[in-house]
Amino acid sequence: DAGVTQSPTHLIKTRGQQVTLRCSPKSGHDTVSWYQQALGQGPQFIFQYYEEEERQRGNFPDRFSGHQFPNYSSELNVNALLLGDSALYLCASRYGGMETQYFGPGTRLLVL
Amino acid sequence: GENVEQHPSTLSVQEGDSAVIKCTYSDSASNYFPWYKQELGKRPQLIIDIRSNVGEKKDQRIAVTLNKTAKHFSLHITETQPEDSAVYFCAASGANTDKLIFGTGTRLQVFP
Repeated sequence: DAGVTQSPTHLIKTRGQQVTLRCSPKSGHDTVSWYQQALGQGPQFIFQYYEEEERQRGNFPDRFSGHQFPNYSSELNVNALLLGDSALYLCASRYGGMETQYFGPGTRLLVL
Repeated sequence: GENVEQHPSTLSVQEGDSAVIKCTYSDSASNYFPWYKQELGKRPQLIIDIRSNVGEKKDQRIAVTLNKTAKHFSLHITETQPEDSAVYFCAASGANTDKLIFGTGTRLQVFP
């Protein structure tokens, strides 16, 4: 049983570019959340997707958007990249009414 | 706003000693408190969690205690081993939300 997977593992972009990160949830999980983890800090909640809709959102600008597909996989899109967007982007999944979230290995984004 | 404070930021112990990490949360509606262990370059891994209707939970060498009145919760690791060395994050979330609010992390070093 595969856990949460993310792609790519690493990515380098320049300011102003756009990026798409991908996440496949753990088998049987239907809810996906995205977090941003800056170096030396705890993860910060970006948003959550359930039934292909954004259900909750953290304190992130509209440049951050997402999508969930019918197979529960998800994408995180970031437009007009800033240097400050450099971070580890983590995807977490859970099943239905269960509270426990399981994290993927993350995508490390570097914006130059 | 919602906030989780975590102390200490670094903790060094001798192998076999105990380690205690403390967190305080601000939102009295918080009812779920997981602890994650993150090794360098790896995903956060859930090590133990507790819900607000429970005061204490233990899993082998790891235990978590919760004081709802004081809005404090703590992680206790007994008989520490070098492989316990990692960054530990506490987190809190409220009812009907996936938004985990993380602490700033504690870097635990266990010396042989």
